Amino acid sequence: GQQVMQIPQYQHVQEGEDFTTYCNSSTTLSNIQWYKQRPGGHPVFLIQLVKSGEVKKQKRLTFQFGEAKKNSSLHITATQTTDVGTYFCFSGGYQKVTFGTGTKLQVIP
Amino acid sequence: DTGVSQDPRHKITKRGQNVTFRCDPISEHNRLYWYRQTLGQGPEFLTYFQNEAQLEKSRLLSDRFSAERPKGSFSTLEIQRTEQGDSAMYLCASSPGREVLYNEQFFGPGTRLTVL
Repeated sequence: GQQVMQIPQYQHVQEGEDFTTYCNSSTTLSNIQWYKQRPGGHPVFLIQLVKSGEVKKQKRLTFQFGEAKKNSSLHITATQTTDVGTYFCFSGGYQKVTFGTGTKLQVIP
Repeated sequence: DTGVSQDPRHKITKRGQNVTFRCDPISEHNRLYWYRQTLGQGPEFLTYFQNEAQLEKSRLLSDRFSAERPKGSFSTLEIQRTEQGDSAMYLCASSPGREVLYNEQFFGPGTRLTVL
């Protein structure tokens, strides 16, 4: 079945440093979504990517979908303490509903 | 508040008891999902509904778990004969439209289950 792995599992960064999490699938993905879950909170939708090679930006966040649609990345420029949380990728489709394993980001002030 | 709501927020039960959780999705969202999340893990898919039809059920879901969405609005998730391994956060999410491909999911606050 479809498996979606994320690396790294944990990341500690100094405030102001950049951060990247990667999402890798064993099969071709029809789409990729990214969610953020703050400590004690529930997942909140960030973005969706559909096209091969697609790149989208939200302020300091840059999302990329691989050419082969098997991987994706989320890059945060100049992290802030408000970026703390766990970032999950998600892929959905008929009979293929999968969340990634998540990357927990800690930002040291 | 027009977001997804879940009830109860917390449930403590003894092993062997039955529990039922409720989820009220965003009005007019026709897709509804149930997930289970344990500490440090990502949400684990349990089942989803398109209106009142249950379209998929994870094979990880044992026969002790059942979900309904009788009128295509709210949904209930029942766990029979609870076990300590069932302790987790149970998340509900809803999304608009017919195809999960193009729709974001809106999550509720979750029901935290503790089985003693």
